[in-house]
Amino acid sequence: NAGVTQTPKFQVLKTGQSMTLQCAQDMNHNSMYWYRQDPGMGLRLIYYSASEGTTDKGEVPNGYNVSRLNKREFSLRLESAAPSQTSVYFCASSEPGSRTEAFFGQGTRLTVV
Amino acid sequence: AQKVTQAQTEISVVEKEDVTLDCVYETRDTTYYLFWYKQPPSGELVFLIRRNSFDEQNEISGRYSWNFQKSTSSFNFTITASQVVDSAVYFCALSPGGSYIPTFGRGTSLIVHP
Repeated sequence: NAGVTQTPKFQVLKTGQSMTLQCAQDMNHNSMYWYRQDPGMGLRLIYYSASEGTTDKGEVPNGYNVSRLNKREFSLRLESAAPSQTSVYFCASSEPGSRTEAFFGQGTRLTVV
Repeated sequence: AQKVTQAQTEISVVEKEDVTLDCVYETRDTTYYLFWYKQPPSGELVFLIRRNSFDEQNEISGRYSWNFQKSTSSFNFTITASQVVDSAVYFCALSPGGSYIPTFGRGTSLIVHP
C-alpha cells in the first residue's frame, strides 16, 4: 500500500537547469496537489489538479508547470531553475467528499546552486 | 479566500508538561474541514485529525485532544503529558467544502526537552 510516491527524494540543480518531479498515487484519488515548504512559511500551494485533465494555479505558480498525465500521476516541472526554488516539495492527493484529508508523499529536497 | 493562522512559531516545554497549539482560521464557506498534521524531524507529514464544520464535538485520542470552537474560529490542539517523541512541527489546515483544496498555517515547532 504505497499511497503517494514522489521521486526523486533529493536533487541538486545548477541555475538554469530543468527537471521534472514525479508523483504517483495508488488510492484512486481525483485531486492532486503540489506544495513547497520553506522555513517559517508553512506549505504553500504551487498547482493543483481537481480531476484528471484539469490543472490550476495555486498561491505560488511562477516558474513551474504541471502535467496531470492520468488519474494516478501529477508531475511538476521546473523549466529554468533559480536559487529561489530551493525548497522541499510535497505532492499530495485527496478524494473530496469522502475522506477529505490530503495524503502526502515523502517530499523532495531540491537545492538550486 | 481561506486563511489559517498559527501564531506560535515555536514552543519549548519540558517532558510531562501539557501544551496547547493554537489555530485560528478564516473562511466564508459554511461547510469546511479542519485538519492537524504532524511533521517529525524525519520530514514526512502525518495526518492526525479531521473535523468538519458541522461537528463541534471535542475529540480525545490518547494524550491528544482537540477543541473546535466555531464562535472563535479556532481549532486548538492539546498534548497532555508531553513526551520527547512529540517534538515536531505541527500544521493546522483548512479545506473549504467547495474546492476541498487544503490551506495550511505556517506551523508550530514543538520542542519537548527530557
